[in-house]
Amino acid sequence: ETGVTQSPTHLIKTRGQQVTLRCSSQSGHNTVSWYQQALGQGPQFIFQYYREEENGRGNFPPRFSGLQFPNYSSELNVNALELDDSALYLCASSLGGGDRGPQETQYFGPGTRLLVL
Amino acid sequence: DAKTTQPPSMDCAEGRAANLPCNHSTISGNEYVYWYRQIHSQGPQYIIHGLKNNETNEMASLIITEDRKSSTLILPHATLRDTAVYYCIVRVKAGGFKTIFGAGTRLFVKA
Repeated sequence: ETGVTQSPTHLIKTRGQQVTLRCSSQSGHNTVSWYQQALGQGPQFIFQYYREEENGRGNFPPRFSGLQFPNYSSELNVNALELDDSALYLCASSLGGGDRGPQETQYFGPGTRLLVL
Repeated sequence: DAKTTQPPSMDCAEGRAANLPCNHSTISGNEYVYWYRQIHSQGPQYIIHGLKNNETNEMASLIITEDRKSSTLILPHATLRDTAVYYCIVRVKAGGFKTIFGAGTRLFVKA
């Protein structure tokens, strides 16, 4: 069974630039969720994708967008980067997309650490 | 808008049981309680989850009060490798379901 993988592991960008982060879900999982974790804080939910559609979003502006592909891998895109976007970005995969309700265990990848200068 | 509250830090002696409390007084009837832990800013690791019955697996036990307003994660024999931030979370409906993390409890296991 393949676990959740993310790329790249680290990234440095400057303000105003755009960034794309990638996530491969665990084998057999059809749902991907993205989280932002600032230093010293808990992860904050950005959005969730199920069968290529967004089906849940947290309090993040539209410049945070995503995609899910037919193989259930996913991308997180952030436009017009700001200094406060510096964080660890985590992706988590699960099976069900909400169909199984709140009993849906998510498995996290190692994260991508983004630094915006 | 975290729905859980946890003590910011706790200490535990190696080999002893670690009991990590969590309050979730506003939990709804169909919301599950999940526990994850995070070591050195790696991705959070799933530990256990439950609805209203006590649960046990190879890593830990979860005790949920009858009114479901609080729970306790028990690591029966803590080791140094259990030093981590432990998150108690609930999953809430938001289109699909989203997971709300609080600040967590930093557990220090000491030799």
